[in-house]
Amino acid sequence: EVQLVESGGGLVQPGRSLKLSCAASGFTFSDYNMAWVRQAPKKGLEWVATISYDGSSTYYRDSVKGRFTISRDNAKSTLYLQMDSLRSEDTATYYCARHGGPYGYPFFDYWGQGVMVTVSS
Amino acid sequence: DIQMTQSPSVLSASVGDRVTLNCKASQNINKYLNWYQQKLGEAPKLLIYNTNNLQTGIPSRFSGSGSGTDFTLTISSLQPEDFATYFCFQHNSWPLTFGSGTKLEIK
Repeated sequence: EVQLVESGGGLVQPGRSLKLSCAASGFTFSDYNMAWVRQAPKKGLEWVATISYDGSSTYYRDSVKGRFTISRDNAKSTLYLQMDSLRSEDTATYYCARHGGPYGYPFFDYWGQGVMVTVSS
Repeated sequence: DIQMTQSPSVLSASVGDRVTLNCKASQNINKYLNWYQQKLGEAPKLLIYNTNNLQTGIPSRFSGSGSGTDFTLTISSLQPEDFATYFCFQHNSWPLTFGSGTKLEIK
């Protein structure tokens, strides 16, 4: 059974940093591109960042470029999101998601339960 | 960025009803449209991918149609567990984008 379990969320002041982790199990982690998707309170979903299966390529939405860094450790089957210079508008539940579409389609087929990040003074 | 517009934002219906949810893309996304279901406090669940392909394990009362810019999700006979929020999602081009959701409520 595919499982994605996020951790590392919490309350942080504006301008500070936080690092999220996502532990994967139930599939060969190193075979899949992975992503972070967020959802602000009572709002819709927003793709944040994607990393290729081997970590060689990364992609970010414009609003987080230069502030967030997605990375992975395939030996540990773990995905990370380093978030620096946090802003109030980054407040959201952050989901780890697998890019699992057949034939390489880049959609998300499995999601974690999410972790809350609150940016506030 | 491709904007995804869903309608209605809220839909009230009863168990057994047939309902249709709509999603419109701001530009042609071919067939690359998915539907996700999200219940309160839970992660989204993939229902349909590439317009009309049912994800494994999803009941056949869910179906999708459309192409280009206009898409629909139909639930043929609502069950109590179907009351949730539904998001459409395009993966035709980056950045990948979601609609703002349709909340399906019990009438």
